[in-house]
Amino acid sequence: ETGVTQTPRHLVMGMTNKKSLKCEQHLGHNAMYWYKQSAKKPLELMFVYNFKEQTENNSVPSRFSPECPNSSHLFLHLHTLQPEDSALYLCASSQVPGYEQYFGPGTRLTVT
Amino acid sequence: AQSVSQHNHHVILSEAASLELGCNYSYGGTVNLFWYVQYPGQHLQLLLKYFSGDPLVKGIKGFEAEFIKSKFSFNLRKPSVQWSDTAEYFCAVIGSSNTGKLIFGQGTTLQVKP
Repeated sequence: ETGVTQTPRHLVMGMTNKKSLKCEQHLGHNAMYWYKQSAKKPLELMFVYNFKEQTENNSVPSRFSPECPNSSHLFLHLHTLQPEDSALYLCASSQVPGYEQYFGPGTRLTVT
Repeated sequence: AQSVSQHNHHVILSEAASLELGCNYSYGGTVNLFWYVQYPGQHLQLLLKYFSGDPLVKGIKGFEAEFIKSKFSFNLRKPSVQWSDTAEYFCAVIGSSNTGKLIFGQGTTLQVKP
């Protein structure tokens, strides 16, 4: 595997479910990011991790819970989501914050 | 507040036409600037970047962009587009000493007719 990978690619979940999104980067980077891409809205940064430490939480609701066990892996734990949370969730990584970011293919999430 | 504005939401061109996509940003400090492209069914890819130095930067696939500090602009250009350039283009900015908060514009959809 090369670059940034994300699983699953598609996810349908009910409002009472708990699920997790996984991201893995194979680039040797130290910073990882979660973004939300909704229709007709700019990409929204959700979280930033640098050397496994969270450095940015962009006022994200607590029903989204990130986890970064090491510099190569990033998770987004989801629970009691709302239909408006349906979107494409993108993971990215960079050598350090401020450098160019490399994106994964995203997870298309639908909340029913 | 920090923001990025892309002037054109949807652009339609014929092959061989010249392209210029506008991007203006609002940020109080030194910035790094990027253009990303998302081809149909593919993930976001870096097209080009500007950190410092020559304000005219060249990217992949014949694209270039010019940073004009006085105008807070970073417009994307290509002298002759191809059908394969059909995609969505995003301008993005980050503070040079930022914690990683990359701010994106709303994107421009480019449709190139063969």
